[in-house]
Amino acid sequence: GQNIDQPTEMTATEGAIVQINCTYQTSGFNGLFWYQQHAGEAPTFLSYNVLDGLEEKGRFSSFLSRSKGYSYLLLKELQMKDSASYLCAVLEDYKLSFGAGTTVTVRA
Amino acid sequence: GAVVSQHPSRVICKSGTSVKIECRSLDFQATTMFWYRQFPKQSLMLMATSNEGSKATYEQGVEKDKFLINHASLTLSTLTVTSAHPEDSSFYICSAKKHTGQGDGYTFGSGTRLTVV
Repeated sequence: GQNIDQPTEMTATEGAIVQINCTYQTSGFNGLFWYQQHAGEAPTFLSYNVLDGLEEKGRFSSFLSRSKGYSYLLLKELQMKDSASYLCAVLEDYKLSFGAGTTVTVRA
Repeated sequence: GAVVSQHPSRVICKSGTSVKIECRSLDFQATTMFWYRQFPKQSLMLMATSNEGSKATYEQGVEKDKFLINHASLTLSTLTVTSAHPEDSSFYICSAKKHTGQGDGYTFGSGTRLTVV
């Protein structure tokens, strides 16, 4: 099994930067995903890391350290539409296991 | 891109009845599909892994006789909630894996909001 921990809630101001941390423990590791989920909707893919380092995609970046069991998602230039839940998910073998999600609230 | 269609999006049923939820991969073949359940303000919990042409693999604590999964083709998996009760009310989401995919090879359906009254 795996323990995936991420903060429950974060609040930030429009235009700011927010970093969502995720720690995990797993017996087998095949990659880490970040998804965005708006209330009542399915998750949408944001990023995937399988090697250590930073992956940048526009305003979103994700970092992975496999030795530390640690990842973060960085959201830059926050917009109101970024208010959502952000899910960290670990791929073990072929199965995805999700953290509880971090609810990000962007304020004007 | 990869598109997964899930139907219905919302369903209300009476306690004791059965409900079938469909998950289709529209533009790719999915040898493996996954079914998740999500209660309010909680994360997605994997219920079972559906493999085309073979029996589904259920996670610990999920009743296989209550949540029937059929994956009869490479583009369709169904989840049937049998003898539904109010505690089964939840958001059910399927996910399909592209044959050679990693990364964004895992695509989610739009989810089904089940309410049992």
